[in-house]
Amino acid sequence: DAGVIQSPRHEVTEMGQEVTLRCKPISGHDYLFWYRQTMMRGLELLIYFNNNVPIDDSGMPEDRFSAKMPNASFSTLKIQPSEPRDSAVYFCASSLVGQSQETQYFGPGTRLLVL
Amino acid sequence: GDSVTQMEGPVTLSEEAFLTINCTYTATGYPSLFWYVQYPGEGLQLLLKATKADDKGSNKGFEATYRKETTSFHLEKGSVQVSDSAVYFCALSGSGGYNKLIFGAGTRLAVHP
Repeated sequence: DAGVIQSPRHEVTEMGQEVTLRCKPISGHDYLFWYRQTMMRGLELLIYFNNNVPIDDSGMPEDRFSAKMPNASFSTLKIQPSEPRDSAVYFCASSLVGQSQETQYFGPGTRLLVL
Repeated sequence: GDSVTQMEGPVTLSEEAFLTINCTYTATGYPSLFWYVQYPGEGLQLLLKATKADDKGSNKGFEATYRKETTSFHLEKGSVQVSDSAVYFCALSGSGGYNKLIFGAGTRLAVHP
């Protein structure tokens, strides 16, 4: 298996622009998680899905952030409009309930810089 | 709520030294416990896990024992290598049964030759 795939790996944009991050989970996994990692706040869970349905979005910072999972093999995290404080590494992870005891498999991350 | 506390880093060691990274947790019920490792520029990878009290997880020379009485899951390695330099995260499976993990703040380990 190719593992969790994220794109782009790096993104540089200007304040006010829309940013879309993409994730392809491991085939067959039924949970998908979006995390944000910064030096100041560490690793934060933003939102997670089960069978394409959002379960908990309490970690989403504000209305500028939105996430979708239109099918089992694709998810997006969108920031509109972006701000410099959104600069971080964004990770996607997936897991399969009932197997591997909640082990999450992480993608390589998208490093976002908002100027 | 559930939480994980790790020792602050960075931890700096010489090659072949003994490593301990402390991790304690607060949780309702009986969570599974995990150590994840993040190498520079990469995502987190599962290092080891334990699913019940007194279980010992081990991998790549690292080990940790699930201690319910002290609510701890300390990571140890007898002889570290330069290639072990990374950030280590302790985590527990949150209550609610939704595969949600609660992560500690991470501990950076730097191993010098």
